[in-house]
Parts: sequence; C-alpha cells; structure tokens
Amino acid sequence: GAVVSQHPSWVICKSGTSVKIECRSLDFQATTMFWYRQFPKQSLMLMATSNEGSKATYEQGVEKDKFLINHASLTLSTLTVTSAHPEDSSFYICSASGTGVRETQYFGPGTRLLVL
Amino acid sequence: SQQGEEDPQALSIQEGENATMNCSYKTSINNLQWYRQNSGRGLVHLILIRSNEREKHSGRLRVTLDTSKKSSSLLITASRAADTASYFCATDASGGYQKVTFGTGTKLQVIP
Repeated sequence: GAVVSQHPSWVICKSGTSVKIECRSLDFQATTMFWYRQFPKQSLMLMATSNEGSKATYEQGVEKDKFLINHASLTLSTLTVTSAHPEDSSFYICSASGTGVRETQYFGPGTRLLVL
Repeated sequence: SQQGEEDPQALSIQEGENATMNCSYKTSINNLQWYRQNSGRGLVHLILIRSNEREKHSGRLRVTLDTSKKSSSLLITASRAADTASYFCATDASGGYQKVTFGTGTKLQVIP
C-alpha cells in the first residue's frame, strides 16, 4: 500500500517551454503533497507544500509564478515548470501523506528534467 | 536552518559488516524518519521514531534517538550489497503538518 507515482519519469525540453509533472497517490487519499528538488549528489530541498483544494505554500526563495502547483483532487497534484531554462534542470520528487498514512510521507520515483 | 547533518558523508564496508550512520539536527522535533534512496530514484521510507522514543527496530535496522543531543543513528546489521544507497534522515518539527527537513545524506557502499 501507499504507492505514489510520478509522470513522466524523465523529460527533455527546449528552453522557454513549460513542463508539467504529475504526482498521483494510487491507493490512498493524499490530503497533503510535497514537491522537492534535488541536485546531483545533494539532499532534497522542499519547494512547496500543497493541500487539496488550497493554494500551495512555497518555501522561501521558490518562485511561485515559475513553479505552478495544483492539487485539485485527493489523488493528484501537478507541478508545472513555466518557461523552463537550463538552470531548472534537476530531479523533481513529490511525496504524499494523508488518510491512513499519517506522519509518513510516501515518495514518488522522481522526474528528471533536462532543459536544453 | 533545520537541515540535519549526517556523518559520515560516505561509507564503504564489506558485505556482512554493520553500517552506522549518524544524524544531527538543530531544533526540537516531533519525529525523525530515515529514508533510503537508490541512485536516481525516489525515496523509500525505512523507519519513523517519535520524539518520546529512544530506540526502534525494524528487521536489520536499528534506530536510536537522543533528543538531548539532538542526534539519531541508523544501524544496518549484516549489510548486503543491495543496501548500497544513500540514506537520509528527515526531521518533522511542523507540529502535525508532516513537513520534514532532510539531512545531507550518507552514501553507503556495500562491497560484495
């Protein structure tokens, strides 16, 4: 139980385009979803927290107009990287917690983004 | 910053040996969790220890928590090559919002 999927697993795009990443909880209702960014050989940095039906709360230094987060249902959150640039290239990971899985976050497999 | 620091940053051991990783953090916490990450993959939750607990076991894993020293350790006994991964501690000080802060991680290599 407590499976989280992410799609796509990797994406290559041209500079200036927008990329959408989906995060789904497959077998539980995710009242809260988290989006992280991880640079090579570094730890995870929290970008934002989203609660179903509410606006996301962004961490300091994260541009909310750049990284659009939508959490429209209890099983789906999306992260859209708008007007992507090479410096946005990174590994993006979502996690979810919620009904039946309190205190623990369950992580998706991650999405590797490369912006050319 | 609450970010925890782990040591060692890297650890290389022979299969069958025990591996110990340490995590230190800065502020009071509700719980501390350990995660494993295989290269280029998502994180797998290993174990959660609450602030009022001192030790917890799960299979070959043993976690201790010393809130007075703001530190935790993860012991993997009888290591296997499949344990090769990066290990992160994550602290939850959010008062029930499940927002965690990850440590810097320990990269473990188990040599067959």
